[in-house]
Amino acid sequence: QVQLQESGPGLVKPSETLSLTCAVSGYSISSGYYWGWIRQPPGKGLEWIGSIYHSGSTYYNPSLKSRVTISVDTSKNQFSLKLSSVTAADTAVYYCARESIVVVVAAPDWFDPWGQGTLVTVSS
Amino acid sequence: QSALTQPASVSGSPGQSITISCTGTSSDVGSYNLVSWYQQHPGKAPKLMIYEVSKRPSGVSNRFSGSKSGNTASLTISGLQAEDEADYYCCSYAGSSRVFGGGTKLTVL
Repeated sequence: QVQLQESGPGLVKPSETLSLTCAVSGYSISSGYYWGWIRQPPGKGLEWIGSIYHSGSTYYNPSLKSRVTISVDTSKNQFSLKLSSVTAADTAVYYCARESIVVVVAAPDWFDPWGQGTLVTVSS
Repeated sequence: QSALTQPASVSGSPGQSITISCTGTSSDVGSYNLVSWYQQHPGKAPKLMIYEVSKRPSGVSNRFSGSKSGNTASLTISGLQAEDEADYYCCSYAGSSRVFGGGTKLTVL
């Protein structure tokens, strides 16, 4: 059974960099799939932040691209998110999830499973 | 990229059927059969309900079904039950990007 668990600081100061890690158990990241980050501001909807392919190729939300870096550490079987120059608008629950590929079209489709999510508050 | 458009809320009585629409563009929903739907209860992580427009993961009730026509995807829930009350989100592949809908709150009356 594949499980994902987010970890990182729950409080980040404005203008600093938000850093989160997603530890994966029950599956080797290097074996395949995309691995993604999604966030949800309090009381609002889901927003895709970006995804990384097991080979290291990255894909980012155009609206966040200038501030986002997603990386993978296969030796620790985890992947990470860095979001720079944060403001209060980046306050959200951050989820990590595995993203499955539809083989016949060689494109990603669904996110499953998801981590439980971690709340990150941006405040001084 | 703009969020996919979903109704803010829908409601239905137990036993009834409801449909939630998810409208995108020719750059996302209209171009790919790569639409998924998620159910989210308060304080919980989203749960996959439908993938590839109309496929159901193992363990998801056959009361949930998905379809697509043009730039609009739809999620239908038949035989509404109290436990179906939740927020629902659609998501579409958009050519190296992904875009979610704004979410729909389903109330079971």
